Amino acid sequence: NAGVTQTPKFQVLKTGQSMTLQCAQDMNHEYMSWYRQDPGMGLRLIHYSVGAGITDQGEVPNGYNVSRSTTEDFPLRLLSAAPSQTSVYFCATKVGGTDTQYFGPGTRLTVL
Amino acid sequence: KQEVTQIPAALSVPEGENLVLNCSFTDSAIYNLQWFRQDPGKGLTSLLLIQSSQREQTSGRLNASLDKSSGRSTLYIAASQPGDSATYLCAVDSNYQLIWGAGTKLIIKP
Repeated sequence: NAGVTQTPKFQVLKTGQSMTLQCAQDMNHEYMSWYRQDPGMGLRLIHYSVGAGITDQGEVPNGYNVSRSTTEDFPLRLLSAAPSQTSVYFCATKVGGTDTQYFGPGTRLTVL
Repeated sequence: KQEVTQIPAALSVPEGENLVLNCSFTDSAIYNLQWFRQDPGKGLTSLLLIQSSQREQTSGRLNASLDKSSGRSTLYIAASQPGDSATYLCAVDSNYQLIWGAGTKLIIKP
């Protein structure tokens, strides 16, 4: 049981490049979400999904795209990377409702 | 708009002391409040979850309280150990989205 896995762990992009951050879970949780964490700030919700085929925007969705074709996977796409997207990205899952969330180890992204 | 504040931003105490971390929020309409621990370069680990109908939760040396009417939660750590050194974050579940504080960085000196 791997829990929540994220790949890659580190990534450096040039402005304008696109990429996909991967998130996978083997706990059969319906709810998955993406957060970004910037220095001195709390985590901010980017997008979330309450089940396969259903996604919605969080607090800071601009410049990011998501899809949820399976329960296990919830990839986050950066369409055209900008330096303002330099951050640490966390994927999280939960069974649903108001349960606790389980976090992946994070992806540290730098955009030059 | 819900806002979550954690004070202090950093705290350094000698090993063995009991300590309290604070979390405040502006909107009392929450489903629950959660405390997490984050180690450097690592993900987040859930410590305690307090449902809106509860007043406190305990796990080992940790005790978290919730006072919705005043918009406050405290995390009490008893008999602190160097292994407790980490950043502690609180988050409120408001409309099924977690709103986060910026965290308190805790250092326990041996």
